[in-house]
Amino acid sequence: ETGVTQTPRHLVMGMTNKKSLKCEQHLGHNAMYWYKQSAKKPLELMFVYSLEERVENNSVPSRFSPECPNSSHLFLHLHTLQPEDSALYLCASSPTGNTEAFFGQGTRLTVV
Amino acid sequence: GEDVEQSLFLSVREGDSSVINCTYTDSSSTYLYWYKQEPGAGLQLLTYIFSNMDMKQDQRLTVLLNKKDKHLSLRIADTQTGDSAIYFCAESKNNDMRFGAGTRLTVKP
Repeated sequence: ETGVTQTPRHLVMGMTNKKSLKCEQHLGHNAMYWYKQSAKKPLELMFVYSLEERVENNSVPSRFSPECPNSSHLFLHLHTLQPEDSALYLCASSPTGNTEAFFGQGTRLTVV
Repeated sequence: GEDVEQSLFLSVREGDSSVINCTYTDSSSTYLYWYKQEPGAGLQLLTYIFSNMDMKQDQRLTVLLNKKDKHLSLRIADTQTGDSAIYFCAESKNNDMRFGAGTRLTVKP
């Protein structure tokens, strides 16, 4: 248990659906991240929030929309996804942007 | 090419040592990490090394850093079946942490 909780653990959605992934940490960390993990590919950094402000957006399609309402919560809103978006989505947090990240267990997303 | 590279597979026998290698490209990285991912789980930090260090030892784990060659390795002594997992190498600078594709370690009895 790393202190970073993601819900749901599994999600199956159609291409026309809208859903949201949730990440929560009560570790007092200032930075939160969304990563995408696809098979046999490096972890892809999607978004970085530092002190609730988005500091990085790595050319992620607009069908992925992050939200950080406070320092403990991070959301990833999904709409009109494609089958190739099926992957494990990992949330992480760190005390600052340059220290080790603590990961949640991930949400396994399947787009049908 | 990718920023962080590692071989995809490694297979060892129980009791042997495992060495997982990683190369990275950003010489200004400040921290380098090894993460372990077991099936169905997120990534767990195993160990990390600051870029001005050459070696770090933590029980069965030894991390070696060759900054000149931008090469990082993780040695697991007396590898056990419970060490079977995917091991990710990562480098970080500022808010950016970049991972390799992961090395799947299989430990055979």
